[in-house]
Amino acid sequence: EVHLVESGGGLVKPGGSLRLSCAASGFTFSSYSMAWVRQAPGKGLEWVSSISSSSAYTYYADSVKGRFTIFRDNAKNSLFLRMNSLTAEDTAVYYCAREAYFRGMLDYWGQGTLVTVSS
Amino acid sequence: EIVLTQTPLSLPVTPGEAASISCRSSQSLLVSDDGNTYLDWYLQKPGQSPQLLIYSLSYRASGVPDRFSGSGSGTDFTLKISRVEAEDVGVYYCMQRVEIPWTFGQGTKVEIK
Repeated sequence: EVHLVESGGGLVKPGGSLRLSCAASGFTFSSYSMAWVRQAPGKGLEWVSSISSSSAYTYYADSVKGRFTIFRDNAKNSLFLRMNSLTAEDTAVYYCAREAYFRGMLDYWGQGTLVTVSS
Repeated sequence: EIVLTQTPLSLPVTPGEAASISCRSSQSLLVSDDGNTYLDWYLQKPGQSPQLLIYSLSYRASGVPDRFSGSGSGTDFTLKISRVEAEDVGVYYCMQRVEIPWTFGQGTKVEIK
């Protein structure tokens, strides 16, 4: 069974940094592209970033480009999101999701981790 | 970026009756190279993570009941629930993956009358 478990969320001050992790199990992690999607409190879904299976390709939403970095460790079945220069607008639940194939649909989602940016 | 507009934003439904949600795109989601339309539907049940319902316009994801169906073409798409059940409540989102950035509709909240 596919499992995605996010961690690393928490309270951070504006301008601060945070690294989110997503531990994957139940499938061959190194064969799948992965994505991060976020949801601000009471709001809709926003795609944040995607990474191909070998890390050859990475994509970002304009709202996070230059501040966030997606990366992965296939040996450890883990996906990461490094977030710098955080602002209140980055406050959200961050979900990691598996892409069924490169740039494919998001067929499995984690339970999410909450990031709160506040002074 | 491609803008997806869902209507209605709120949909009260009676169990056993049909329901439909519209998603309109600011540009065509048909990729002529492969003939596929990259429009997906997700359901976020209360307190849960989103789950995939329909992908590439009309293909049901694994385990999704056949009362859910997706249709449309070009820029206009519809998710239909043939007979709503109580477990179908939640927020439904359409999403396009034709072009980066992938974008979602605003969401349609389905609730039981």
